[in-house]
Amino acid sequence: GQSLEQPSEVTAVEGAIVQINCTYQTSGFYGLSWYQQHDGGAPTFLSYNALDGLEETGRFSSFLSRSDSYGYLLLQELQMKDSASYFCAVRDQAAGNKLTFGGGTRVLVKP
Amino acid sequence: DAMVIQNPRYQVTQFGKPVTLSCSQTLNHNVMYWYQQKSSQAPKLLFHYYDKDFNNEADTPDNFQSRRPNTSFCFLDIRSPGLGDAAMYLCATSKTGENYEQYFGPGTRLTVT
Repeated sequence: GQSLEQPSEVTAVEGAIVQINCTYQTSGFYGLSWYQQHDGGAPTFLSYNALDGLEETGRFSSFLSRSDSYGYLLLQELQMKDSASYFCAVRDQAAGNKLTFGGGTRVLVKP
Repeated sequence: DAMVIQNPRYQVTQFGKPVTLSCSQTLNHNVMYWYQQKSSQAPKLLFHYYDKDFNNEADTPDNFQSRRPNTSFCFLDIRSPGLGDAAMYLCATSKTGENYEQYFGPGTRLTVT
């Protein structure tokens, strides 16, 4: 099976940088996705890493190290609207069309 | 705009009274998913369709059924809802081979009284 670990909660102030780590255990690893979900809202796709390295999309970046079974999502220049839950999700060869989601990290941005 | 639509957004049902949740998509994606999400938890996959090919998760209760009459529509039937089935139900779609990027509907929040 698959397992993913990420911190349950992170608090930071506006303008700060937050890094959300995700470690995973799985066989047949394909890649790691990140999703954002505001309270009461639907998850929205942020990024996907299949290869080692850093992918940057505006204020958000995602990193993957396949050898360490580790990835992170970096949120820069935090804004109040970034307060949300962030989920990492593994794409796994054995799982076919499915994603396996981590437990989520709740990010609280304070003024 | 192409999107995933879920109706209703809020559903209240009585204990044991069957309920159907619906999902439609204008993205023309082959794959559709149903997730259950409880408060402060990750979405839990119930089942998914690749075209008409139905894939049930091993731990999805028999109480949950699904239908996909065509590419655009998918239904979640809960035959005898229990109090533990109160949750947000999320429908999602993806392109074939691109399941890493799933498009979620706004969800239906189910309350069981």
